[in-house]
Amino acid sequence: GQQVMQIPQYQHVQEGEDFTTYCNSSTTLSNIQWYKQRPGGHPVFLIQLVKSGEVKKQKRLTFQFGEAKKNSSLHITATQTTDVGTYFCAGPGARGSQGNLIFGKGTKLSVKP
Amino acid sequence: GAGVSQSPSNKVTEKGKDVELRCDPISGHTALYWYRQSLGQGLEFLIYFQGNSAPDKSGLPSDRFSAERTGGSVSTLTIQRTQQEDSAVYLCASNVVFSYNEQFFGPGTRLTVL
Repeated sequence: GQQVMQIPQYQHVQEGEDFTTYCNSSTTLSNIQWYKQRPGGHPVFLIQLVKSGEVKKQKRLTFQFGEAKKNSSLHITATQTTDVGTYFCAGPGARGSQGNLIFGKGTKLSVKP
Repeated sequence: GAGVSQSPSNKVTEKGKDVELRCDPISGHTALYWYRQSLGQGLEFLIYFQGNSAPDKSGLPSDRFSAERTGGSVSTLTIQRTQQEDSAVYLCASNVVFSYNEQFFGPGTRLTVL
C-alpha cells in the first residue's frame, strides 16, 4: 500500500542550529502538506506544496517539493525553542481525489537552549 | 464554533467496555476525519466522511470500531469491547474538501483502557 516515510524520527539540536526533516513517498503525489504538533497539542497545518520543484518559505522555514513529486523536505534555519514539536508530512491517500491524507510518522524536534 | 471540538477530553475505561467519542466539526465543513495517535507515534487514519457519500472505512483496525456522522455534522466514533491496545489519543479533523485543503484538527480525546 501507499506509504509516506519520514526521517529522521528524532532530532536534537542546540538552539541556533539548523534542522531538516525529509519525507519520501512510495508513489507520486499530487500535493504534499506539512503539519506541526506541539507537545501535548494537536497537529496544525503549516503549508501545502503542489508544483514539481516548488519551494516555499515561511520566515525561517523552507519547504521543498521534489521534481518527481515523490519527496519533500522542511528546513528550519537557526532553530529556536519555539520550534520544538513533531513535524509531519502528509500526502493524498490511495483513493485519489477523496481528500484522505496519509501521514508520515513525523520527526520529533527538541531544541536545547 | 471557532474550531473543531471533541468530547470528552479524557476517557478512562475498563477493558471490555464500550466507549463513544464525539467530534463537532467546524460549521460548514463537509469532510470529517478520525485518526488515532498512539503515544509518540504518527497519525493513523481511521475513517473519513465526505458529504452524503459512503464513508471511507478503510482505516478501521477491526470490526469493534465504527463511526457515524449524523446530519452531515457531528460524528461519533464508537469502540466496542475496548482492549488495552486501543489506548491512544483519538483526533478528529474537518475541512472543506477541494483539492486536499488543509485539515483542521480538534484537541483530541485521550482514551485509556485499564
